[in-house]
Amino acid sequence: EAGVAQSPRYKIIEKRQSVAFWCNPISGHATLYWYQQILGQGPKLLIQFQNNGVVDDSQLPKDRFSAERLKGVDSTLKIQPAKLEDSAVYLCASSLITGTPGANVLTFGAGSRLTVL
Amino acid sequence: GQQVMQIPQYQHVQEGEDFTTYCNSSTTLSNIQWYKQRPGGHPVFLIQLVKSGEVKKQKRLTFQFGEAKKNSSLHITATQTTDVGTYFCAGISMEYGNKLVFGAGTILRVKS
Repeated sequence: EAGVAQSPRYKIIEKRQSVAFWCNPISGHATLYWYQQILGQGPKLLIQFQNNGVVDDSQLPKDRFSAERLKGVDSTLKIQPAKLEDSAVYLCASSLITGTPGANVLTFGAGSRLTVL
Repeated sequence: GQQVMQIPQYQHVQEGEDFTTYCNSSTTLSNIQWYKQRPGGHPVFLIQLVKSGEVKKQKRLTFQFGEAKKNSSLHITATQTTDVGTYFCAGISMEYGNKLVFGAGTILRVKS
């Protein structure tokens, strides 16, 4: 089966610019997650979708970050304007719908590495 | 909020030596998962433990879930160079909305 697809793999921008990341989850995975991984740290959940509804966005800095999952499949994560501390790898992950056996197990994409100068 | 702590942060072993990493949660967990991230790669799921005192093995890897469901360990017997990477535990707690919270990881380096 195809994995979780993400693009772009790398992006370098200057502070105050904007950037968008795209994710296509595994076919049939209703739950989609965006994690931020800063160098040397574990992944931190930014937002979780189930189909096209938001389940949890409590740690998303909503003044600058936004995410959407139209039609319950692909998702985009946008940062505008970017700050230096946003430099990180943005990982998209997907899983089966809550309540399904194995639903908690995440499959991650390769990530999008953002450098803010 | 929910905290998941891992020790050690970093371990450098000689090939053939054993390795253990420990994970502790501030809250009781409904389950705990372990992921491995190779250098430059992304986290890959290894295993999930759900029962108090559960022990699972995958070849040279042994995973344990504590009796109180607040701690876990991963033990690798006779490390190989292919074991290099960062090992993350991640726990789910009903008390904190069933979100998967990752620890900071343990970096394993293996000298051949």
